[in-house]
Amino acid sequence: QVQLVQPGVEVRQPGASVKISCKTSGYTFTGYGIDWVRQTPGQGLEWMAWISAYNGDTKYVQKFQGRVTLTTDASTRTAYMELRSLRSDDTAVYYCVIVDGAHPIDYWGQGTLVTVSS
Amino acid sequence: DVVMTQSPLSLPVTLGQPASISCRSSQSLVHSDGNTYLNWFQQRPGQSPRRLIYKVSNRDSWVPDRFSGSGSGTNFTLQVNWVEAEDVGIYYCVQSTHWPYTFGPGTKVDIK
Repeated sequence: QVQLVQPGVEVRQPGASVKISCKTSGYTFTGYGIDWVRQTPGQGLEWMAWISAYNGDTKYVQKFQGRVTLTTDASTRTAYMELRSLRSDDTAVYYCVIVDGAHPIDYWGQGTLVTVSS
Repeated sequence: DVVMTQSPLSLPVTLGQPASISCRSSQSLVHSDGNTYLNWFQQRPGQSPRRLIYKVSNRDSWVPDRFSGSGSGTNFTLQVNWVEAEDVGIYYCVQSTHWPYTFGPGTKVDIK
């Protein structure tokens, strides 16, 4: 079965960066893109970005453009989301997601809680 | 960006009774390919969200048939024919027609 495994918790100081991993299994890695979604107490759920695991194409939501970078490593079947210049309002649970709006494909990681605090 | 609104934001329900959630988008969700990419997600307490409905009315494989979705253009509805205890959680409508994809604010469903 498809599984997306993320680290549980990351703690960073303001101004630092975080790179969250999403290790996948149970499907052909290059067959699906991977989305990243975050959930904050203030903003609710927000779509952040998408990457094709086939060719590395990316789409970023303008709000995060310039601060976020998505990458994949096919050899380890892992996707990464790096968020830089962290602020307190980046405190959130970050999810990696495989979802296809046209087909019954929907898989979520368990989420990584990123706490930004001095 | 497309703004998604939902009503009600809080929905106390009686077990065994029906429930309905409305969702509106600030612009049409009809894609240039002719499909309407309106989704419904459920988030149970302490869990990741998971999708119930895609393309307005198609149930994902795990979803019981007491859930149904309907609507078109900018107005959509999630209907539960009878509510069970496992349905407690927050329900979000999400559009994936226009980038960036956007979520509604969520409707919290709990038992009276």
